[in-house]
Amino acid sequence: EPEVTQTPSHQVTQMGQEVILRCVPISNHLYFYWYRQILGQKVEFLVSFYNNEISEKSEIFDDQFSVERPDGSNFTLKIRSTKLEDSAMYFCASSTSGGKSDTQYFGPGTRLTVL
Amino acid sequence: GNSVTQMEGPVTLSEEAFLTINCTYTATGYPSLFWYVQYPGEGLQLLLKATKADDKGSNKGFEATYRKETTSFHLEKGSVQVSDSAVYFCALSDSSGTYKYIFGTGTRLKVLA
Repeated sequence: EPEVTQTPSHQVTQMGQEVILRCVPISNHLYFYWYRQILGQKVEFLVSFYNNEISEKSEIFDDQFSVERPDGSNFTLKIRSTKLEDSAMYFCASSTSGGKSDTQYFGPGTRLTVL
Repeated sequence: GNSVTQMEGPVTLSEEAFLTINCTYTATGYPSLFWYVQYPGEGLQLLLKATKADDKGSNKGFEATYRKETTSFHLEKGSVQVSDSAVYFCALSDSSGTYKYIFGTGTRLKVLA
């Protein structure tokens, strides 16, 4: 069964450094998402992406964040200058149509630790 | 705005016990509702979903019914197993925008043999 994959599984970085989290969505999916979960808190929406553009972003997704689909398979989340509060589990998800009843398929997550 | 409220965990049950995890929501319009499960060390997996009022989603012995009148989507299973130990997330698709998901806080279930 096709699945969403994410690399790395765990990333440790120093405050102020740039990190890139990578995701490979399911191949025939058109809508892509990033969510994050700070330890012990809710899973929160960051951004949705369709047709090589950001469709929607949350207030968390400020100028320090960017997303890109550099080729036909990868979907990346970049944090330019990491802060301590960026430490979280980051989940990538993809779906076929992006509609109300569409299922989003999630990857296993990347745990980001900012020191 | 739209939101999801789940019962606090952890929930600890003996094997073969009946499980209920409560989920209520606040939403404008008619969202779809989902239950996701996260096993230790893994990502979020869809457990079941319902897309309109009175729909019942079911999978692996788990069930949940979309109750518009009580704005609820409680998860139930008649007889839990140790392998059901995981964190369970209730979510809705937010119709204000790109149908992003809004999640509850998650409920950790521990089943003892």
